[in-house]
Amino acid sequence: QQPVQSPQAVILREGEDAVINCSSSKALYSVHWYRQKHGEAPVFLMILLKGGEQKGHDKISASFNEKKQQSSLYLTASQLSYSGTYFCGTETNAGGTSYGKLTFGQGTILTVHP
Amino acid sequence: GAVVSQHPSWVICKSGTSVKIECRSLDFQATTMFWYRQFPKQSLMLMATSNEGSKATYEQGVEKDKFLINHASLTLSTLTVTSAHPEDSSFYICSADAGTEAFFGQGTRLTVV
Repeated sequence: QQPVQSPQAVILREGEDAVINCSSSKALYSVHWYRQKHGEAPVFLMILLKGGEQKGHDKISASFNEKKQQSSLYLTASQLSYSGTYFCGTETNAGGTSYGKLTFGQGTILTVHP
Repeated sequence: GAVVSQHPSWVICKSGTSVKIECRSLDFQATTMFWYRQFPKQSLMLMATSNEGSKATYEQGVEKDKFLINHASLTLSTLTVTSAHPEDSSFYICSADAGTEAFFGQGTRLTVV
């Protein structure tokens, strides 16, 4: 079942912050976050494994609450280059051993204006 | 970081013909690769799991006789869209399992006219 992302779209001015949420109805092994520019393939941002860890680089970070089966992506002091569609991809606790069999959310369109 | 190369980047073909898309892991071996399809303004949907040396596993609703997958080596998986029709026009993306994470190819935009 597809994870649910919220919001569906967000518009920011440069320097503003945003949070994108990803919720699953299934127990999760990991959550992957990607950003996709129009006409291009998704670009990997980060992966979070079960255990409630947080990760981040530069001004983009994420958290994973295994118990709530939720992950959030935090974009701080947004830049124009952050514009794109953000997808979360989830791996369930189905006993799989491969990385990359993901079920993607519907995407969140982020637009950053000057 | 690891690199996955997908070829071609775009292809236009006539209805009824077949198209082959290649997915190569350039600097690592991938026992497992995945093929996704993305229609305009939609999310990525997993089509099939490609396993080196064995048959691919297809997701529900994906015709295995139409979308032929071959994973003959640890660095190459191919997806052949047979007897393509305009409704097959889409963005096809592969990913490869690098052991600790997956890496995506750059995608192939297929247009069937």
